[in-house]
Amino acid sequence: AQSVTQPDIHITVSEGASLELRCNYSYGATPYLFWYVQSPGQGLQLLLKYFSGDTLVQGIKGFEAEFKRSQSSFNLRKPSVHWSDAAEYFCAATSNTNAGKSTFGDGTTLTVKP
Amino acid sequence: DTAVSQTPKYLVTQMGNDKSIKCEQNLGHDTMYWYKQDSKKFLKIMFSYNNKELIINETVPNRFSPKSPDKAHLNLHINSLELGDSAVYFCASSQGSGAYGYTFGSGTRLTVV
Repeated sequence: AQSVTQPDIHITVSEGASLELRCNYSYGATPYLFWYVQSPGQGLQLLLKYFSGDTLVQGIKGFEAEFKRSQSSFNLRKPSVHWSDAAEYFCAATSNTNAGKSTFGDGTTLTVKP
Repeated sequence: DTAVSQTPKYLVTQMGNDKSIKCEQNLGHDTMYWYKQDSKKFLKIMFSYNNKELIINETVPNRFSPKSPDKAHLNLHINSLELGDSAVYFCASSQGSGAYGYTFGSGTRLTVV
């Protein structure tokens, strides 16, 4: 079965510190991979996406993610976190074979300490 | 100009009532979705339409009925509301199979009392 796992339910980092949020996927073939951010009371916003090619992808708001096929991972990183980055982060995957249905991870809540 | 807009943003209603949520997108996308986000923030797909045709219909009670009058609109009607229907419902759109990702609306928080 297709699945996306975010092992960390909640992460707390200090403002200015680096951040890495983990995501692992289980799909029949290499899926398309995404990270979304959800601020309180808001919808989800696409941060970045991976199709193929360069395994390090850049996104909005200074985020990047690295695809590692051998580890079935797509971890999100940011070198220096800002207080406004506090939000819920979702990893998602889809493929051409499932009619556009994206599978979402359970989310990671990011808290930023001043 | 909002890309994916949902109305209403908040909906409080009594058990047994019937309610509708509307969604419109102005991105020219051909695929639209309804997702349900529960109190633990888990996201679960409910329905998907491509060019007005239903293509995804997950295991959802038949009290939930989507309707897409054209590819820019996708509505969700819920009959006989139950306490367990309380959640945030998100509309989203994409071009084709979603390989470029989704654009989400801001959500409708439904509270059944």
